[in-house]
Amino acid sequence: ETGVTQTPRHLVMGMTNKKSLKCEQHLGHNAMYWYKQSAKKPLELMFVYNFKEQTENNSVPSRFSPECPNSSHLFLHLHTLQPEDSALYLCASSNNGAGLQETQYFGPGTRLLVL
Amino acid sequence: DQQVKQNSPSLSVQEGRISILNCDYTNSMFDYFLWYKKYPAEGPTFLISISSIKDKNEDGRFTVFLNKSAKHLSLHIVPSQPGDSAVYFCAASEGGRDQGAQKLVFGQGTRLTINP
Repeated sequence: ETGVTQTPRHLVMGMTNKKSLKCEQHLGHNAMYWYKQSAKKPLELMFVYNFKEQTENNSVPSRFSPECPNSSHLFLHLHTLQPEDSALYLCASSNNGAGLQETQYFGPGTRLLVL
Repeated sequence: DQQVKQNSPSLSVQEGRISILNCDYTNSMFDYFLWYKKYPAEGPTFLISISSIKDKNEDGRFTVFLNKSAKHLSLHIVPSQPGDSAVYFCAASEGGRDQGAQKLVFGQGTRLTINP
């Protein structure tokens, strides 16, 4: 148990559907992240939120829309996805301050399949 | 261009022997390095880290070595146990950011299999 939970664990959706992924961290951290892991590729950073403010958007298509209502919750809203968006979506959190080197802790991920 | 590379997709080691996983990086601004372990159907679990001011960090059976001049780090597991079978990712980040969250860059992972 890492203190970072994600729901759902598995999701199958059509290209016209709208769905949301949820992440919650119980570690008191102030930064949250979305990563994508496609088959045989490294984890790719998608979005970073620091104290609820988005500080990084790694050229992610607009069909992925993040939302961070508070430091403990992070959502990824999905709409009109493509089959190539099928992947494992991982959420992480960390405690950050200026110049500090902090470890990121990951949730179990949501395995997404787009048909 | 991949800034963090794990050139061995897989590694097989006998139980009780030493496992050595390698990682190379190209960005000389990286100053914090981490190893994560991942089992199927789970998220990556933090294993051990090292700051660029050190060349070695040890935690139980796990030791990470950093060679800054070669831009190379390695993870040693000794003795290897069957429960160590997993995919291992190395990751790196740049420090000195103003109030910013850490941006980790990951390698592709190495699948370690420990044979009984």
